[in-house]
Amino acid sequence: DTEVTQTPKHLVMGMTNKKSLKCEQHMGHRAMYWYKQKAKKPPELMFVYSYEKLSINESVPSRFSPECPNSSLLNLHLHALQPEDSALYLCASSQTPPGVSTDTQYFGPGTRLTVL
Amino acid sequence: GQNIDQPTEMTATEGAIVQINCTYQTSGFNGLFWYQQHAGEAPTFLSYNVLDGLEEKGRFSSFLSRSKGYSYLLLKELQMKDSASYLCAVRERSGYSTLTFGKGTMLLVSP
Repeated sequence: DTEVTQTPKHLVMGMTNKKSLKCEQHMGHRAMYWYKQKAKKPPELMFVYSYEKLSINESVPSRFSPECPNSSLLNLHLHALQPEDSALYLCASSQTPPGVSTDTQYFGPGTRLTVL
Repeated sequence: GQNIDQPTEMTATEGAIVQINCTYQTSGFNGLFWYQQHAGEAPTFLSYNVLDGLEEKGRFSSFLSRSKGYSYLLLKELQMKDSASYLCAVRERSGYSTLTFGKGTMLLVSP
């Protein structure tokens, strides 16, 4: 089973709203990732959690706030977003972050976010 | 810096063979991945190369030459459902599984 689930599938929010995206995996993976993907562009890495600790933040604005409550869950809290933040937000997980050469990332179906 | 190049778009006919090339210039190299992504869906893992040579998986094969900074994905016996974007991704950083993606190649398979 290589399933990563994400909720919601679609989200429409105003610029003053606060919302959260959720990601879950039950593969025992210890690294989890958030990516942002605009139309016809490749995924861009936002955050990496390794053993439930934030290990990489790719200079993402503070209106995006990640959280990893446990090894199976990853949240992305959204506040005061801009219309240009509208995109597909992808979660991924991989077995072990450091030094495992065959480590593969598995992606969830994504949340399609529209900011009005 | 990092640079991963793929053709933007390719077309092929059902039943044919197509080769999608990827060249990379990255600060580090710890493996190259190919993903398939249908419109509006998540990328799905296709193949992984870390050593030079060919990896075969059914209708899909991937080749890597580290000295040339070059990889290709070979798709045989094309089917209509193979119409998708194919993303080449390089893992650069040692110690982490982060990926840098190319812009993707949109493959259109026609009858």
